[in-house]
Amino acid sequence: DAKTTQPPSMDCAEGRAANLPCNHSTISGNEYVYWYRQIHSQGPQYIIHGLKNNETNEMASLIITEDRKSSTLILPHATLRDTAVYYCTPAGGTSYGKLTFGQGTILTVHP
Amino acid sequence: ETGVTQTPRHLVMGMTNKKSLKCEQHLGHNAMYWYKQSAKKPLELMFVYSLEERVENNSVPSRFSPECPNSSHLFLHLHTLQPEDSALYLCASSQLAYNEQFFGPGTRLTVL
Repeated sequence: DAKTTQPPSMDCAEGRAANLPCNHSTISGNEYVYWYRQIHSQGPQYIIHGLKNNETNEMASLIITEDRKSSTLILPHATLRDTAVYYCTPAGGTSYGKLTFGQGTILTVHP
Repeated sequence: ETGVTQTPRHLVMGMTNKKSLKCEQHLGHNAMYWYKQSAKKPLELMFVYSLEERVENNSVPSRFSPECPNSSHLFLHLHTLQPEDSALYLCASSQLAYNEQFFGPGTRLTVL
């Protein structure tokens, strides 16, 4: 059973906002939504996480629906260096961090 | 050095060799992880250490043997591997009970 559903690929023009959706309809009440990305041949990089409120940091914004069954990661001004595979994953806030990545979304930023 | 470092970055070994992967974190974290990432599979959690005690072992074959001598260092000892063990092996660390994990660059392992 897939924990998350993400589109396999998306394109974005450089300088525009990239909006990456994720469906996590089976998320439990104490699980956070985490987003990571992985640039080719590198280790995954933490981006942002949230429980139920929208979150923003220097990298991105995270919008979580009120029912918490889906979320959207927003890169406000995408650059070529944002080309990567983006993963969302529900994870318990008090567990030992059992990250389980699905197939993710390949985001390609074009000049 | 900052963050999480892994050595070597690339390793080619025969099925009869014994080798070790090393991970070091400079973040003051107290939990460390080994993951395997194959070309055709999502990220797979292998081992979790918390406060230098192994707390998770996800049915990993005994030819993979982890060691955590202190909270900053993690090793993965390899022996009699199979070609299907070829993958990117990633180390990560986090503060206990948090999921914000910081990953190293990985070791690309090829078993001939």
